[in-house]
Amino acid sequence: EAGVAQSPRYKIIEKRQSVAFWCNPISGHATLYWYQQILGQGPKLLIQFQNNGVVDDSQLPKDRFSAERLKGVDSTLKIQPAKLEDSAVYLCASSPMGAPGTQYFGPGTRLLVL
Amino acid sequence: GNSVTQMEGPVTLSEEAFLTINCTYTATGYPSLFWYVQYPGEGLQLLLKATKADDKGSNKGFEATYRKETTSFHLEKGSVQVSDSAVYFCALTGNYGQNFVFGPGTRLSVLP
Repeated sequence: EAGVAQSPRYKIIEKRQSVAFWCNPISGHATLYWYQQILGQGPKLLIQFQNNGVVDDSQLPKDRFSAERLKGVDSTLKIQPAKLEDSAVYLCASSPMGAPGTQYFGPGTRLLVL
Repeated sequence: GNSVTQMEGPVTLSEEAFLTINCTYTATGYPSLFWYVQYPGEGLQLLLKATKADDKGSNKGFEATYRKETTSFHLEKGSVQVSDSAVYFCALTGNYGQNFVFGPGTRLSVLP
């Protein structure tokens, strides 16, 4: 079974530029999560989708971050414009129905904002 | 809101020592509790979980018991190995799988 795929793996941009990250969850997993993990900290949930609906986006900075999951499969997270403090690893995870919290993580995208 | 507190690291142990990593939580309702692990150079992966009070999760020799009276979910292993060196994260989710919260992580180093 293929795992959670993310791309790109690394990205370097300048502040005020925009960036987008892509995630393809494990086939059949209804729930998809995006996290931000700053170095030395635990992951922080940005947004959680159930199929193509948003379950929780309470910690998503909506003035600059946006996410979508069209057709309830893959997802895109966008930052526009980026700030220095957005430098972090962005993790995508997916979870099967009936197993809330049992998440399978992708390798992450490491973002550096200069 | 929900929150998780873990003992600060790093924790350094000799091989075959006993391990305890403390985790306490604050949550409303009936959360599910998890330990995730991140080995060097690898992605996060689920180590064990417990979904209701007094449940014990176990995997790879690690155990944790969901204690509602003390709001704790401490991770234990009787004899650690060098290969257990990793960062361990305690986490919880709300009643219906929402509001997932990770603790700050505890780095464990096991020396031969």
